[in-house]
Amino acid sequence: GAGVSQTPSNKVTEKGKYVELRCDPISGHTALYWYRQSLGQGPEFLIYFQGTGAADDSGLPNDRFFAVRPEGSVSTLKIQRTERGDSAVYLCASSPQGGRAGNEQFFGPGTRLTVL
Amino acid sequence: GNSVTQMEGPVTLSEEAFLTINCTYTATGYPSLFWYVQYPGEGLQLLLKATKADDKGSNKGFEATYRKETTSFHLEKGSVQVSDSAVYFCALRGLEYGNKLVFGAGTILRVKS
Repeated sequence: GAGVSQTPSNKVTEKGKYVELRCDPISGHTALYWYRQSLGQGPEFLIYFQGTGAADDSGLPNDRFFAVRPEGSVSTLKIQRTERGDSAVYLCASSPQGGRAGNEQFFGPGTRLTVL
Repeated sequence: GNSVTQMEGPVTLSEEAFLTINCTYTATGYPSLFWYVQYPGEGLQLLLKATKADDKGSNKGFEATYRKETTSFHLEKGSVQVSDSAVYFCALRGLEYGNKLVFGAGTILRVKS
């Protein structure tokens, strides 16, 4: 079956613009995660959805960042008034159930965002 | 809070050499521990995991043992191949923080033929 997919694979935008990044999780996975990976660093958690609701959004850096998952499947990460410091690879992951210890998270290929 | 520290790279080895990548963690309680690998041009893949103390995770010749007493989860492989060249990330999943993964900074491994 298909893995986690993310679109676009690359996004170049100008400072101050609005961007949307999309994630299609593995079919049937109820848990969905967004992470951000800056150059030379490990991924950092942004937000976790269980179904349609954001169960943990403690990693969102500020109110310019927002994510939705209206039907419990596809998720969109939205960044307003982008800044150069937002440049990073944004990773999406899904897992069959979010609440069980040891559940594997399956990662997508990421969207590389560059803010000029 | 939870954190993961792993040895800095890059680590450069000759083919068939022994590999160790150190990983230590700080967490409350009993986290699950993971090693993820990122091959050039590809996404993160789970390499192995351990969910309780003294568990040994293993896959593709790689092993790591969950050591509660030293809060460590070192990655080892007895004989590396050129195809093992990648970035390796140690990560934990702590119960008190819900389900998110906390990653180390990653260690670049380069294997020369």
